[in-house]
Amino acid sequence: GAVVSQHPSRVICKSGTSVKIECRSLDFQATTMFWYRQFPKKSLMLMATSNEGSKATYEQGVEKDKFLINHASLTLSTLTVTSAHPEDSSFYICSARDPTSTDTQYFGPGTRLTVL
Amino acid sequence: DQQVKQNSPSLSVQEGRISILNCDYTNSMFDYFLWYKKYPAEGPTFLISISSIKDKNEDGRFTVFLNKSAKHLSLHIVPSQPGDSAVYFCAASATSGGSNYKLTFGKGTLLTVNP
Repeated sequence: GAVVSQHPSRVICKSGTSVKIECRSLDFQATTMFWYRQFPKKSLMLMATSNEGSKATYEQGVEKDKFLINHASLTLSTLTVTSAHPEDSSFYICSARDPTSTDTQYFGPGTRLTVL
Repeated sequence: DQQVKQNSPSLSVQEGRISILNCDYTNSMFDYFLWYKKYPAEGPTFLISISSIKDKNEDGRFTVFLNKSAKHLSLHIVPSQPGDSAVYFCAASATSGGSNYKLTFGKGTLLTVNP
């Protein structure tokens, strides 16, 4: 199956700093990538849809100035959590849509963010 | 408003027996359905999918059944193995109408396969 990588796998940062998370599709070109957040014992919450070469589409309630998304190439999307606060601590997961495989999204391994 | 519902938060099955995980949806625009398996602190792993033009799709030990009239799908795992123990998410997509390929997820079912 298609492989999606995420980096870093875990990050600890101080409150007020910014953190960048990378999502890469390794063996296919992804015109669309997605960023999710998962709270403990909860389902995946879609934060935004990232389309290559255009602005991301954010879900209701997600601050676009807080969570900056850039999809500069067909294999890379980045999520930057700006001015992070402890309440931003969470598990962030990206996925990439394989356009040759209907609507199947392949997920990265996730990034555990802890803001002190 | 939960458009995709997995009403059983957990399921326990004996090794070798069949595991049946259920999922219901309310949005009649959904026409593509997927099952993902997830371990703690990892991203979901794609298992199997089905388009609304079919009522069954099989891949090895995994079979997904779709009942469009009832807006219900199920994932059958047979025989179940201890390594199948994980959280299983049902997801749905509306492939037309400008959905931008978004998936709507259920809350997941924790499957435990006992040796």
